[in-house]
Amino acid sequence: NAGVTQTPKFRILKIGQSMTLQCAQDMNHNYMYWYRQDPGMGLKLIYYSVGAGITDKGEVPNGYNVSRSTTEDFPLRLELAAPSQTSVYFCASREGTGVSRKNIQYFGAGTRLSVL
Amino acid sequence: GNSVTQMEGPVTLSEEAFLTINCTYTATGYPSLFWYVQYPGEGLQLLLKATKADDKGSNKGFEATYRKETTSFHLEKGSVQVSDSAVYFCALDLNTGNQFYFGTGTSLTVIP
Repeated sequence: NAGVTQTPKFRILKIGQSMTLQCAQDMNHNYMYWYRQDPGMGLKLIYYSVGAGITDKGEVPNGYNVSRSTTEDFPLRLELAAPSQTSVYFCASREGTGVSRKNIQYFGAGTRLSVL
Repeated sequence: GNSVTQMEGPVTLSEEAFLTINCTYTATGYPSLFWYVQYPGEGLQLLLKATKADDKGSNKGFEATYRKETTSFHLEKGSVQVSDSAVYFCALDLNTGNQFYFGTGTSLTVIP
């Protein structure tokens, strides 16, 4: 009954370092999303995917990259970490869109990232 | 543009008090509306939803009614418990796959 799994839970990076945040879901959902949550702010969409091999930019994509080679996995890559990327990152998935239960998003527990 | 405006917190209530967290929205089209809850150290999880005007979402004693005339989706609970302490997010979904808008979140602390 895993749902959406994110790793790592915490990470500290130095400016200019790179890392990949992992996200995996076991619900066979087509749609996957990456958000960042800054203090006192709502979630902002970074990238999303509507299926394996298909990704697109969200509201705040600069400094990030994604790939979706399988239905299950949707990693988020930070190439040159900057202090502005200090945030909590959430991955989410959902089955589909529309007004049915398919449009409910399921979230991972988050990755807390600090760039110093 | 599309947006969600949510009552600022933090909110502190005594156990068994009545809770209201205000949420208003601006949207093109016909959005679905959600309340998500985030417990400490966890991701967001769905609390309730409504998909069209006058729908009432309810779960765990929480309720919210989709009011198109006032573009609102206020969250209410008649008697809060300590276990309701969390951050609550109002959100709208334009049902296109990539257009979601979250409020800034309202932190609720319930004291015994």
